Amino acid sequence: AQKVTQAQTEISVVEKEDVTLDCVYETRDTTYYLFWYKQPPSGELVFLIRRNSFDEQNEISGRYSWNFQKSTSSFNFTITASQVVDSAVYFCALNTGGFKTIFGAGTRLFVKA
Amino acid sequence: GAGVSQTPSNKVTEKGKYVELRCDPISGHTALYWYRQSLGQGPEFLIYFQGTGAADDSGLPNDRFFAVRPEGSVSTLKIQRTERGDSAVYLCASSSGLRQYFGPGTRLTVT
Repeated sequence: AQKVTQAQTEISVVEKEDVTLDCVYETRDTTYYLFWYKQPPSGELVFLIRRNSFDEQNEISGRYSWNFQKSTSSFNFTITASQVVDSAVYFCALNTGGFKTIFGAGTRLFVKA
Repeated sequence: GAGVSQTPSNKVTEKGKYVELRCDPISGHTALYWYRQSLGQGPEFLIYFQGTGAADDSGLPNDRFFAVRPEGSVSTLKIQRTERGDSAVYLCASSSGLRQYFGPGTRLTVT
């Protein structure tokens, strides 16, 4: 079975704090893809990153960084020096190369000024 | 260029009525997806089109739901005999590879 678990329902931080959003996935496939999306209040899902299962290199993009660990089936997302504009719902998702992408339930992030 | 567009943005209907939700994908994208997002949940896969044909409709919850894409571009999701439990945001996405581009969604409310 394929599953994505985002155990944190809501996180609240003060601006400039660092915050990590957790994602744990389950799949028996050896080839798969992991994604993070941002859903701001406007509702449109915004693609942030895609990783494939053969590339465990961590990635940094500006204030965003991702830590992919196959040993723990985790793909965590860290925002450094958070800003109010980072407030949104963040979704982790899994695709095993077919048509379906499985999304987690999301983590709502509140960044207070 | 233009992104994925969906119309209407909001739809309120009475229980038992028929509704159609429209999706205009990014030009040239052959793959099109429909998802349903209930409050507090992640998007849930409904159906996938490759060109004009539904390659995978295993996510459609029951036979009241149907989707078409007759010319391989615009798609319409059709819901018959709507029920209050159908209330959700219906998202459309298109892609030319693994990355999906999402539309803003249609918020459906069944009263």
